[in-house]
Amino acid sequence: SAVISQKPSRDICQRGTSLTIQCQVDSQVTMMFWYRQQPGQSLTLIATANQGSEATYESGFVIDKFPISRPNLTFSTLTVSNMSPEDSSIYLCSGFFRGGGETQYFGPGTRLLVL
Amino acid sequence: QQQVKQSPQSLIVQKGGISIINCAYENTAFDYFPWYQQFPGKGPALLIAIRPDVSEKKEGRFTISFNKSAKQFSLHIMDSQPGDSATYFCAASIGYGGATNKLIFGTGTLLAVQP
Repeated sequence: SAVISQKPSRDICQRGTSLTIQCQVDSQVTMMFWYRQQPGQSLTLIATANQGSEATYESGFVIDKFPISRPNLTFSTLTVSNMSPEDSSIYLCSGFFRGGGETQYFGPGTRLLVL
Repeated sequence: QQQVKQSPQSLIVQKGGISIINCAYENTAFDYFPWYQQFPGKGPALLIAIRPDVSEKKEGRFTISFNKSAKQFSLHIMDSQPGDSATYFCAASIGYGGATNKLIFGTGTLLAVQP
């Protein structure tokens, strides 16, 4: 199986600031995604991280608020910009791996609390 | 159209009992139906998945039953164990492994297996 790590694992931030979350995978992924999971709730796809080009955002999510980078096949970042308490959530990255078939693997998540 | 409805929201089962979680969908284009298991503080992990060309798939104590005409699928956990206590998510997508194959998640079921 593939291993996905995220940094930081958790953070407490002040309103109006920004936080960049890093996602590192241990082998090449074909597709990489960022999800948001509010406490006790389901997962909502934020965007597909495309290598070397702009991410593809889902309805309700915009690049100015959630800029995403993916400079290579094993690394991506998600920035939560100009945070408000409503951004308090768990942010997860996930990916499909070369040779991994149809299994989408998830990272452990970054728990964000905005005060 | 894109929703996946999951029930119950929570479930308490005695050790050795059968846990049953149900999901329903509307979009008949969905053709991949995975179940994910999530422990506290961890990312979701693929448990078992099914395609609509079969009505049942079994892996160990876990079985997916699929009813294409009713647009419903369910997870059965036989001989439930305290270690099965987790949140379970059903999901659906059109295809898998590609940019357009986004997973739509159900709302989750919190399972508690009492010893």
